[in-house]
Amino acid sequence: GAVVSQHPSRVICKSGTSVKIECRSLDFQATTMFWYRQFPKQSLMLMATSNEGSKATYEQGVEKDKFLINHASLTLSTLTVTSAHPEDSSFYICSASGGSGETQYFGPGTRLLVL
Amino acid sequence: GNSVTQMEGPVTLSEEAFLTINCTYTATGYPSLFWYVQYPGEGLQLLLKATKADDKGSNKGFEATYRKETTSFHLEKGSVQVSDSAVYFCALRPDSGNTPLVFGKGTRLSVIA
Repeated sequence: GAVVSQHPSRVICKSGTSVKIECRSLDFQATTMFWYRQFPKQSLMLMATSNEGSKATYEQGVEKDKFLINHASLTLSTLTVTSAHPEDSSFYICSASGGSGETQYFGPGTRLLVL
Repeated sequence: GNSVTQMEGPVTLSEEAFLTINCTYTATGYPSLFWYVQYPGEGLQLLLKATKADDKGSNKGFEATYRKETTSFHLEKGSVQVSDSAVYFCALRPDSGNTPLVFGKGTRLSVIA
């Protein structure tokens, strides 16, 4: 299957700093990328949908000014957690799709810990 | 709306036991159905999928059949191994478009030797 990578895999930061997470599709062009958040022992919650070249669509309750998403190319989307706080600590997972009806492939996830 | 309900875990089985993880869904239209597996500390991997009624998805000894009449997509495996220990997520994609997946809460499976 197709490969999606995330970087970093794990990050620890101080409260108030910003953290950028990259999601890359390595062997296909991802017209759409999705960002999910997973709390311990819980399911994935969709945060936003990102289409290449356009603004991300955020789910209700997700602060777009706090979770900045950029999808500048067909192989890269970034999620920036601005002014991170301990409650932002979580497992962030992206998925990428090559188009309508295509299978979504998931990245390995980024574990964020805010101290 | 669209939703997925999975049996609650954790499920603990002995090696070579038969596995069933129940999954039912609610959806408008004709969703595609998926099972994803998440090993400890890793992201989700697609295990199998079915895109229309009566389709059977299968992979690595796991099977699931898309049952429209019962709105179910139960995951089965005839003989589990210790290496199957993971969290299993049932999911649906509401339509054939490029829409996000709707996930169940996940079922943790532990297989003991």
